[in-house]
Amino acid sequence: DVKVTQSSRYLVKRTGEKVFLECVQDMDHENMFWYRQDPGLGLRLIYFSYDVKMKEKGDIPEGYSVSREKKERFSLILESASTNQTSMYLCASTEDVGHRTYEQYFGPGTRLTVT
Amino acid sequence: DAKTTQPNSMESNEEEPVHLPCNHSTISGTDYIHWYRQLPSQGPEYVIHGLTSNVNNRMASLAIAEDRKSSTLILHRATLRDAAVYYCILMNYGGSQGNLIFGKGTKLSVKP
Repeated sequence: DVKVTQSSRYLVKRTGEKVFLECVQDMDHENMFWYRQDPGLGLRLIYFSYDVKMKEKGDIPEGYSVSREKKERFSLILESASTNQTSMYLCASTEDVGHRTYEQYFGPGTRLTVT
Repeated sequence: DAKTTQPNSMESNEEEPVHLPCNHSTISGTDYIHWYRQLPSQGPEYVIHGLTSNVNNRMASLAIAEDRKSSTLILHRATLRDAAVYYCILMNYGGSQGNLIFGKGTKLSVKP
């Protein structure tokens, strides 16, 4: 069974802390994505990566950075957590767009609370 | 990416068919129609996708109008586990950076 796993389901951090969210996929997918989901706003893309060490900004990259040192792992970093970053964070992966089937596989999500 | 319009919510009885509509009047010729669902406290899950022809898989069927301006996701026999938010999404592979743009979706409730 294909899997995208995220390091934590629930996380509570204090304002100003550096936060690492880890995502691992076991499908050898090229593409990986980080979204955040907020009530009334749907899922919004933060960053994505097409390959190892490659990263592209999504729609809301401010306050975040990412790292992809290995193909299977995509990390989201909150350099200095703020209360407006309290949200559900979802990681997803997919094969290269050229494959056309283009099914995105999502992890279970990390609910982050910043106090 | 072109936008989609879905009803906010729908109700169904268990073991009855469910037809979830989606309007996408500005769809382009190369837009694929994708459906995902999100169960409570879980990440979204792929359901089905198509371009022009109707599609069937083990989870559902997708009926696409001849003019492609609308589509319908069909769950043949709803179960309690089908209660979720269903998202209809258009994806243009050639012009897309690869991410999915989720709208508000349709919240499906299934009554026993």
